[in-house]
Amino acid sequence: RKEVEQDPGPFNVPEGATVAFNCTYSNSASQSFFWYRQDCRKEPKLLMSVYSSGNEDGRFTAQLNRASQYISLLIRDSKLSDSATYLCVVFAGGSYIPTFGRGTSLIVHP
Amino acid sequence: GAVVSQHPSWVICKSGTSVKIECRSLDFQATTMFWYRQFPKQSLMLMATSNEGSKATYEQGVEKDKFLINHASLTLSTLTVTSAHPEDSSFYICSAPGQGYGNTIYFGEGSWLTVV
Repeated sequence: RKEVEQDPGPFNVPEGATVAFNCTYSNSASQSFFWYRQDCRKEPKLLMSVYSSGNEDGRFTAQLNRASQYISLLIRDSKLSDSATYLCVVFAGGSYIPTFGRGTSLIVHP
Repeated sequence: GAVVSQHPSWVICKSGTSVKIECRSLDFQATTMFWYRQFPKQSLMLMATSNEGSKATYEQGVEKDKFLINHASLTLSTLTVTSAHPEDSSFYICSAPGQGYGNTIYFGEGSWLTVV
């Protein structure tokens, strides 16, 4: 089993739709979690951190479920510009080396 | 905020030649930097961890004699792809961790290498 797993997709949704991605992690000692966005042929960029209590940033909501060892990303009112690959990033406790998921591809169409 | 700059953004080279990619932390010191390779539609694959003033730590399966890493200062790490072959064509990207454990990661812009 891979340390961090994501459904590669692609998720193909119309504008305005709500879409959710999950990311599961195998290391129960994982402490820090992030969602990154990667556009085609570009470097990943931080989308948001994932806090234990869950957090929201505009149309984006991230949640952590430690018991089931997964994090989620919810995108509401999808825009064409949301089309990208969303990477889940996990740090084990005391580590500065991140583990990346494979990424989930989102395609938002008119 | 912290910025990591990578150069060149893209390079085309002939098979058998060597290519050097630079990764600089612009407004912070990075004792550690990471080098990744990403093939199309694949995930980021960690190649090596670059440590300032000491030898890099390579991931299993990555040839250290082919991918030379030098981290001579707190703001610069270089990756040299020696005797490049077409199968080395890929997106190479560096990153540096933020302060403390489990902090955000700052990525360079990435370098597209095409070996012909």
